Amino acid sequence: ETGVTQSPTHLIKTRGQQVTLRCSSQSGHNTVSWYQQALGQGPQFIFQYYREEENGRGNFPPRFSGLQFPNYSSELNVNALELDDSALYLCASSLGGTSGNTIYFGEGSWLTVV
Amino acid sequence: SQKIEQNSEALNIQEGKTATLTCNYTNYSPAYLQWYRQDPGRGPVFLLLIRENEKEKRKERLKVTFDTTLKQSLFHITASQPADSATYLCALKSTLGRLYFGRGTQLTVWP
Repeated sequence: ETGVTQSPTHLIKTRGQQVTLRCSSQSGHNTVSWYQQALGQGPQFIFQYYREEENGRGNFPPRFSGLQFPNYSSELNVNALELDDSALYLCASSLGGTSGNTIYFGEGSWLTVV
Repeated sequence: SQKIEQNSEALNIQEGKTATLTCNYTNYSPAYLQWYRQDPGRGPVFLLLIRENEKEKRKERLKVTFDTTLKQSLFHITASQPADSATYLCALKSTLGRLYFGRGTQLTVWP
């Protein structure tokens, strides 16, 4: 067990809707990042939060947004869902925003957009 | 942009043999490289991290090498077992902590 928990584990949304995914990081970890993994692909970096501030973003449109809370838990919000947003969304936590510390992943949230 | 390639999408070996997975990268000089294991429908599980100034790292039956000149990492599983069957992901880590992943190699160990 990595200590990173995500919810919900599975959900189905309709195109155009909005979704919020949640993540609790491992105890003591102040950095949370989100990744999107399409079927048969490696995870793709969406963005990272360090001490409640976004400090890195991948090639994803603005309708992907996030938050990190004082307890270092995090949310990923996706607006105006598209069919291609169907994927496994992974949350990862680590200690420190720029170090060589290990990054631990949760089990992910499976999103299906119909 | 950076590119990470893992040598093959699938690798099938017999139990007891050594599995060797390859990760090549271009257009990047990572500070660290990590290997993860991912089972179907699950999140990636951290296995090993190797730093750019380290040539080799071992953990039980696992061994990772990192050649920054060749821009290549090799991941070995010795005395492989059917329970080792999974997808193995190579990830380069930037100094900001961002991971760039390959597509993974699906390893199947048959009895």
